[in-house]
Amino acid sequence: DAKTTQPPSMDCAEGRAANLPCNHSTISGNEYVYWYRQIHSQGPQYIIHGLKNNETNEMASLIITEDRKSSTLILPHATLRDTAVYYCIVRPPGAGGTSYGKLTFGQGTILTVHP
Amino acid sequence: EAQVTQNPRYLITVTGKKLTVTCSQNMNHEYMSWYRQDPGLGLRQIYYSMNVEVTDKGDVPEGYKVSRKEKRNFPLILESPSPNQTSLYFCASSPEPTGNSPLHFGNGTRLTVT
Repeated sequence: DAKTTQPPSMDCAEGRAANLPCNHSTISGNEYVYWYRQIHSQGPQYIIHGLKNNETNEMASLIITEDRKSSTLILPHATLRDTAVYYCIVRPPGAGGTSYGKLTFGQGTILTVHP
Repeated sequence: EAQVTQNPRYLITVTGKKLTVTCSQNMNHEYMSWYRQDPGLGLRQIYYSMNVEVTDKGDVPEGYKVSRKEKRNFPLILESPSPNQTSLYFCASSPEPTGNSPLHFGNGTRLTVT
C-alpha cells in the first residue's frame, strides 16, 4: 500500500478554512485517497474520498493534484468541534479480502481549532 | 439515523470470563469488520465478514470468534479473555468491499481484562 506523509500538527482559527495536506507520492493509478478523523477515542469518522477528481461533500472538499502525488483536505469553516486527528489513507480498489478492510492509519495530523 | 452501534461502551472483566461485544448496523451493509486499536500499533483488523454466514480472519484473529447469522449483526466473542486483549475495539461496516466504498465505524468499546 502507498504510504502517506502528513504534518504532525496544525492550528486553525475558528471560522477560517483549515487546509490539511497529505503527500502520497507512491500512489498507484487505481488507488483511492481517503480521509478520516478521530476525536479522542471515538470511532474513526469518514470524511471524504476521491480517485482523480476533486470532491466535495457536506463536510469537506478534497483537492487531488493532477499527478495524484498529493492532496489537500479543506474544512471550509472550521469549528471547535473539528479539533481532531486527521488521517489520510490510500486504499486499493480491489474487492474483498483482507486488503479491503486493512486501513493503515499513520500518525495523522492533529488539528487544533482555537477561538 | 444511519449508524453502527456497539455495546457496551466500556467493559471491565477478569481473565477467562467469556464475553461478547455486540455490533449492529442499520444500513443494510454487506461488509462488516472488527478492529482493535492500540497505542503505536494503529488499527488492526481482527475478523471480517463479506456477507451473512461468510467470515474470515484478519491480521490478529487469535483469541477471538465472530458470527454473522443476520446481515445487521456481527458480534465479537472472547471465549477466554486475557490481559493482552485489553484494547479499544471498533466495529465497522460498508455497503460493499470495494475501494470506492467507505467504511463506517462504531463509537468503540474500551475493554479492560484484569
